[in-house]
Amino acid sequence: EAQVTQNPRYLITVTGKKLTVTCSQNMNHEYMSWYRQDPGLGLRQIYYSMNVEVTDKGDVPEGYKVSRKEKRNFPLILESPSPNQTSLYFCASNHRGGFRNSPLHFGNGTRLTVT
Amino acid sequence: GENVEQHPSTLSVQEGDSAVIKCTYSDSASNYFPWYKQELGKGPQLIIDIRSNVGEKKDQRIAVTLNKTAKHFSLHITETQPEDSAVYFCAASKAKTSYDKVIFGPGTSLSVIP
Repeated sequence: EAQVTQNPRYLITVTGKKLTVTCSQNMNHEYMSWYRQDPGLGLRQIYYSMNVEVTDKGDVPEGYKVSRKEKRNFPLILESPSPNQTSLYFCASNHRGGFRNSPLHFGNGTRLTVT
Repeated sequence: GENVEQHPSTLSVQEGDSAVIKCTYSDSASNYFPWYKQELGKGPQLIIDIRSNVGEKKDQRIAVTLNKTAKHFSLHITETQPEDSAVYFCAASKAKTSYDKVIFGPGTSLSVIP
C-alpha cells in the first residue's frame, strides 16, 4: 500500500530535550516536506527536499532541522524544543516531473507537546 | 508571496443539504488549486483539484468552480452525508517543472448533522 509513515503519532517532551520525528514514504517520490498545523493558521511549510541531499527552508524553519540521506526518509529534528513548537506535524511527499506534478500524499501526523 | 484566505472557518449543515466553502488567492500566476479533506486523526487527502484553464470540475457530489478574474474558487458539496464531516483545506500553487510551493488556506471545519 502506498503510504507516508510518520513516527511517533504522539510525543510529549520537555523544553530543550532533542527529538526526532521520522518520516518514510514507499512511493519513490522525489519531493518530501514537513508542515505544522495550528488552529486558524492552516498548514505551514517548515522544510522541503527536492531529492536526496537537497533541502531548503519553508515558511517557518526556525528551530528545526532536516536531512535527506535516502530518498525514502526525511526526518524532522528539533535540537532544543520550545513550547511554541507544540503543534501537529505532517510529513508529505509527491512525484515531481513535468507540468503535472502529482498531489501531495500526507502522513497521519505527529502531535507534539513541549512543556 | 501567495496568500490564500478561506471562509467560513466553521460550517454546520443538515444531512442532505449543500455546503459551500470559498477561497480567494492573491497571486494571479497561481494555476493549480487542490482541495484536501482531513478526517479526525488523519492527514489531509486530496479530494478534487482544478487547473486554471478550466472553470468548473465535478466528481459525483463534489464540484469546484474557479473565477480567475476575481481570483476566487469554491468547493460545493451536495447531498451532504455525516461522513463528509471533516476539515477542508483549499490551496493554490504555480505548477511548473521546477519546485512549486503549495500555499494552504486556514481550513474549514464542516459538521454534517444527521
